[in-house]
Amino acid sequence: AQTVTQSQPEMSVQEAETVTLSCTYDTSENNYYLFWYKQPPSRQMILVIRQEAYKQQNATENRFSVNFQKAAKSFSLKISDSQLGDTAMYFCAFRVFGNEKLTFGTGTRLTIIP
Amino acid sequence: DVKVTQSSRYLVKRTGEKVFLECVQDMDHENMFWYRQDPGLGLRLIYFSYDVKMKEKGDIPEGYSVSREKKERFSLILESASTNQTSMYLCASSSPGGGDYNEQFFGPGTRLTVL
Repeated sequence: AQTVTQSQPEMSVQEAETVTLSCTYDTSENNYYLFWYKQPPSRQMILVIRQEAYKQQNATENRFSVNFQKAAKSFSLKISDSQLGDTAMYFCAFRVFGNEKLTFGTGTRLTIIP
Repeated sequence: DVKVTQSSRYLVKRTGEKVFLECVQDMDHENMFWYRQDPGLGLRLIYFSYDVKMKEKGDIPEGYSVSREKKERFSLILESASTNQTSMYLCASSSPGGGDYNEQFFGPGTRLTVL
């Protein structure tokens, strides 16, 4: 069974600063995908960024980037130049290649302070 | 614009009532999911459907059942609601990806309170 751990229940950072959210996972599989989802207050969950385990290059999406360390089973999310709209719950998620189901972490509540 | 909708944003029911939560997607997705979200526990999968009339238990199916009579609609049923089923319920859908990302798209959620 796969598990996903987010060790930071809450974080806060000043606007325009950089913040890193941590995520570790446990699996015996070799082929899988990793995701970061964002859930703004009272709004729908949306995908922020995704990474294929077989790709060594870290994924980036504008101000969002990941640090994927496969051997360490670590998948952290870095948000650069943080904005007020980044305030949200962030969930790390894992999916095995060929399996439709996602396993989620417990989430990190991120607050951007003006 | 892709869309997953849920029938209610907020719902209040009494213990013992039968509760239906409805989810509709307009993306022609084969896969649909029901999760519950609780503070400190993240999202946990209740049931998953990969085709019409097909379903698979998730991690916490006890006390729930599902129905998928049409491709676009996936219903979660609480046969006899209990207070420990007070939670946020999220529906999601995706295409079967296998070797692809097959991103899940989420609905806005239904916050259910059982009194």
